[in-house]
Amino acid sequence: KQEVTQIPAALSVPEGENLVLNCSFTDSAIYNLQWFRQDPGKGLTSLLLIQSSQREQTSGRLNASLDKSSGRSTLYIAASQPGDSATYLCAVAPRSGTSYGKLTFGQGTILTVHP
Amino acid sequence: GAVVSQHPSRVICKSGTSVKIECRSLDFQATTMFWYRQFPKKSLMLMATSNEGSKATYEQGVEKDKFLINHASLTLSTLTVTSAHPEDSSFYICSARLLAGGPTDTQYFGPGTRLTVL
Repeated sequence: KQEVTQIPAALSVPEGENLVLNCSFTDSAIYNLQWFRQDPGKGLTSLLLIQSSQREQTSGRLNASLDKSSGRSTLYIAASQPGDSATYLCAVAPRSGTSYGKLTFGQGTILTVHP
Repeated sequence: GAVVSQHPSRVICKSGTSVKIECRSLDFQATTMFWYRQFPKKSLMLMATSNEGSKATYEQGVEKDKFLINHASLTLSTLTVTSAHPEDSSFYICSARLLAGGPTDTQYFGPGTRLTVL
């Protein structure tokens, strides 16, 4: 059974800092890995999706890397802003079979960026 | 981009009543929709997979008679919490997978429904 772990559980940083969020998964047979953002009481916003054959994806100040063999992914946020404050979730999709499309989520990292 | 809506966004009901939550894909067709449940400060747990025109498949430990799922069209899936009890209070989120013509492995998530059972 796939298990996804995110470290740290919470992070508080001053504005302008670069930061790294970590995600690890136990089963490397994944189809893709996705990073989401969730604001309090809201749904999920997809930030980046990395296919299993890819090593990284970039969007603006965000960069996500994937090391499938070691079961790890990192989300790098450059020059953090107060508006980045939210919970960040990573999720993995299994490669195939009856579990296709069923995402397994980590517990999330609660990020607070203070002015 | 693809948009998924949920209705209602928030509902408060008395114990013993049934509550229906709708999940709609607004600008695309979705053969598959997923229903998740999220407890406070916890991650999302997949409850069931809803396929258009067929019965939903439930994850282990989820009572199918308690959480009725109907996927009557390519743009609508409903989750009915029957005889709701306080322990059913939670945040319910749906997602829809794009049918074709795009990145079919991408799920688009709804904004969630906050259910409170008194």
